[in-house]
Amino acid sequence: GQNIDQPTEMTATEGAIVQINCTYQTSGFNGLFWYQQHAGEAPTFLSYNVLDGLEEKGRFSSFLSRSKGYSYLLLKELQMKDSASYLCASMDSNYQLIWGAGTKLIIKP
Amino acid sequence: IAGITQAPTSQILAAGRRMTLRCTQDMRHNAMYWYRQDLGLGLRLIHYSNTAGTTGKGEVPDGYSVSRANTDDFPLTLASAVPSQTSVYFCASSDTTSGGNEQFFGPGTRLTVL
Repeated sequence: GQNIDQPTEMTATEGAIVQINCTYQTSGFNGLFWYQQHAGEAPTFLSYNVLDGLEEKGRFSSFLSRSKGYSYLLLKELQMKDSASYLCASMDSNYQLIWGAGTKLIIKP
Repeated sequence: IAGITQAPTSQILAAGRRMTLRCTQDMRHNAMYWYRQDLGLGLRLIHYSNTAGTTGKGEVPDGYSVSRANTDDFPLTLASAVPSQTSVYFCASSDTTSGGNEQFFGPGTRLTVL
């Protein structure tokens, strides 16, 4: 079956670094996506990895290991506005996204 | 402003009633999607359309229908609403013809079926 696992909730301190892990198992693989979703709002795109390795984009970085079915999203210099849910999604062989339930990130001052 | 619009923003509906959720995009994306989002669950695909005139079933299609008469519009219809269809519904689009896979989401419709 297809499955995406990520922690339900994480807490971090403003200014710190946090890593949100995601493991995936899908029928075929065409890339791994991370989206950010603030409460009551739509998901917005953060990153896309299709090759192994680290992709850096400002304060956010995303890592992929296809052999391990594993990805993480790294957020540096945390700001209060980073409090949101972070959604991991794997694109399967039919180019459909299979979504995790999301990780709610709570930032404390 | 380019993007995706959805209507209504929210709706309370009596069970058994018919309801159409509207979705319009002006980015000329070929592909469009309908998801539902429930607490504790990931986004689940209801129906999708890879191009105008074609539609396909997603993970949870029962009780829903869609049409794609043109590139811009992708309405979702609940023929006879049931309480289990209470959810937040998101429409999304992507341009898969250029190799891009990023999906852009509308603001969502919060539907309550009583």
